[in-house]
Amino acid sequence: QKEVEQNSGPLSVPEGAIASLNCTYSDRGSQSFFWYRQYSGKSPELIMSIYSNGDKEDGRFTAQLNKASQYVSLLIRDSQPSDSATYLCAVSSHTGGFKTIFGAGTRLFVKA
Amino acid sequence: GAGVSQSPRYKVAKRGQDVALRCDPISGHVSLFWYQQALGQGPEFLTYFQNEAQLDKSGLPSDRFFAERPEGSVSTLKIQRTQQEDSAVYLCASSLFAGGDEQFFGPGTRLTVL
Repeated sequence: QKEVEQNSGPLSVPEGAIASLNCTYSDRGSQSFFWYRQYSGKSPELIMSIYSNGDKEDGRFTAQLNKASQYVSLLIRDSQPSDSATYLCAVSSHTGGFKTIFGAGTRLFVKA
Repeated sequence: GAGVSQSPRYKVAKRGQDVALRCDPISGHVSLFWYQQALGQGPEFLTYFQNEAQLDKSGLPSDRFFAERPEGSVSTLKIQRTQQEDSAVYLCASSLFAGGDEQFFGPGTRLTVL
C-alpha cells in the first residue's frame, strides 16, 4: 500500500466548474498536509497547507482535512484553463524522521 | 531573484561517472530537502537538512548517493558511479522553519545517464 494515494486521472472539468481532488494517507501520525501544483516540465508550487481537521479556504481553493478518515481533499472553484496541471498531495510526519511523502499526483484538465 | 536555484539544469553523464548537483536555498531558510522525481511520479524524498545537520537520509537509495550542506546554506547532492536507473529530475526544496513544512522548490536538475 502506497503511503499517499491519489487518483491519477486525468480529471476533466469544464471551465467554471468545481474540480474536486482527493488524497488518502496511511500514517496516522501525520501532522501536516499540503497541496502542490506542478505544470508540465516545471517544479512543484505550494498552493495550500492544512494542519487541523476541517476546511481552509484561500481564494478559489479550499482544502479539507479529515484525520479520522485519513483523507485530504482540494476543491477548485470556478476552474480556469490555467488550472490545468498535476496536483500533488503531500503529507509530513515528524515522528521518526523528517520525510515529506508525495502522492503520484492527479492530472487536471480544464476545458475552455 | 530570491527563489531556490539549482545547477546545472541539465546533466548528461556516462554510466559510471560521478556527478555533483548544487542547490542554493532561499536565504535564511533552515530546512533543505532533496527529492528524486521520475516521469509521471511524485517527488520521492531523499534527504533532509536542518541547517548543516543531516537529520534524515532514509530516502537515499544506495551508498552511491551522498549529500552535504557544510555551512548550513548551499547543498550538494553527489552521485557516484551513476547508473541508468539514476536518470530522473532531482529537486531541491527549502523551508523557513525547522521541520520544513511549507517547502519552496527549485527548478530541478534533469540527470540523464547513458
